Amino acid sequence: GEEVAQTPKHLVRGEGQKAKLYCAPIKGHSYVFWYQQVLKNEFKFLISFQNENVFDETGMPKERFSAKCLPNSPCSLEIQATKLEDSAVYFCASGDQGRGPQHFGDGTRLSIL
Amino acid sequence: SQQGEEDPQALSIQEGENATMNCSYKTSINNLQWYRQNSGRGLVHLILIRSNEREKHSGRLRVTLDTSKKSSSLLITASRAADTASYFCATDPRSGGSNYKLTFGKGTLLTVNP
Repeated sequence: GEEVAQTPKHLVRGEGQKAKLYCAPIKGHSYVFWYQQVLKNEFKFLISFQNENVFDETGMPKERFSAKCLPNSPCSLEIQATKLEDSAVYFCASGDQGRGPQHFGDGTRLSIL
Repeated sequence: SQQGEEDPQALSIQEGENATMNCSYKTSINNLQWYRQNSGRGLVHLILIRSNEREKHSGRLRVTLDTSKKSSSLLITASRAADTASYFCATDPRSGGSNYKLTFGKGTLLTVNP
């Protein structure tokens, strides 16, 4: 597609439950990035992929966060044992270059109750 | 931590006026990018300026980059109500490795009053 598609738009989970977010990058883009936006401003980098390979995961809280980009499937970001502090909007972006413009989806708002 | 810091945090102007937003950053960069975010939406890429460029134009947008001062500015001329949004600068830091990730500032909320 011509847009980055993120699903669901809003996800509500009780503390301790699992949350799984999905992202379909723009067709032909080989780079995928995940960011977390808290409080409508700060964007925190989580992880990036080049095709199905993890490129940079320095932003991931590794104990509970994991992500995959498998061929012919949407990319996913999974959070195990969610905490209140995980409440945020999670954005996926894709690009055809590692250093070029990134095209963002509209995000998934994760609310942990 | 956020590398870019936008200034001002909020800006309110009348339609037709120009809006200038500034961004400062701390480390060497490969490029600097400006994005717009409308409420409830994702970021929209506006313009990318490379570290060896000093100025770039795109329609009503003008971006400058001063690597000696580690700062950039975004000028929107003849603003419209539809320009109301948050504007973020993002840097692609030059590091020893080849990790591609953007570091964002906290944004400037621009309100253009009709």
